[in-house]
Amino acid sequence: GAGVSQSPRYKVAKRGQDVALRCDPISGHVSLFWYQQALGQGPEFLTYFQNEAQLDKSGLPSDRFFAERPEGSVSTLKIQRTQQEDSAVYLCASSTRAGSNTDTQYFGPGTRLTVL
Amino acid sequence: KNQVEQSPQSLIILEGKNCTLQCNYTVSPFSNLRWYKQDTGRGPVSLTIMTFSENTKSNGRYTATLDADTKQSSLHITASQLSDSASYICVVSVFVAGNQFYFGTGTSLTVIP
Repeated sequence: GAGVSQSPRYKVAKRGQDVALRCDPISGHVSLFWYQQALGQGPEFLTYFQNEAQLDKSGLPSDRFFAERPEGSVSTLKIQRTQQEDSAVYLCASSTRAGSNTDTQYFGPGTRLTVL
Repeated sequence: KNQVEQSPQSLIILEGKNCTLQCNYTVSPFSNLRWYKQDTGRGPVSLTIMTFSENTKSNGRYTATLDADTKQSSLHITASQLSDSASYICVVSVFVAGNQFYFGTGTSLTVIP
């Protein structure tokens, strides 16, 4: 595809349910990032992959959050036992190179998660 | 705590007018600063990126400035259009064993006819 895609676009979960959010980065992009954006706030970093390796997961708020990118392309962010405070837009971004500090990040449209 | 603060929080201007958005940061060690435009319901789109040695960067009607000494940046929008209505987010990058990105909360710009 032409850009980063994410699915589903909207997800409603009951408190305690597990959810899985998918990100399809731009083909060939080495770096992949996940962000959490609460309403009216800027995105906050969750985790970063370089190919299949998860190099930084310092932003994951708890051990209920888990991300993987097993083949170095598609990534899944899983949230177990969802809580109301997990309600946010989850953004995925990819960039061409690894470790570049000036590479442009291309963002997907996000998945809006609402936990009831 | 590293911080990126933006002002104003929101702004309404008439179509055709210019405006300037501000970004102050305390992030260290500084690597680069980016401005993004985020339309409602969409992911952010990169407008400009500046490294330590750059103090101005233009992208069409958008001009960003950076003063790394005072840790301030601005985004100037010239001859605003209705399509400029969006949230503008300042992002400062720290390069410590890989990139870390610190996002501001954004300025919500509304351009009215």
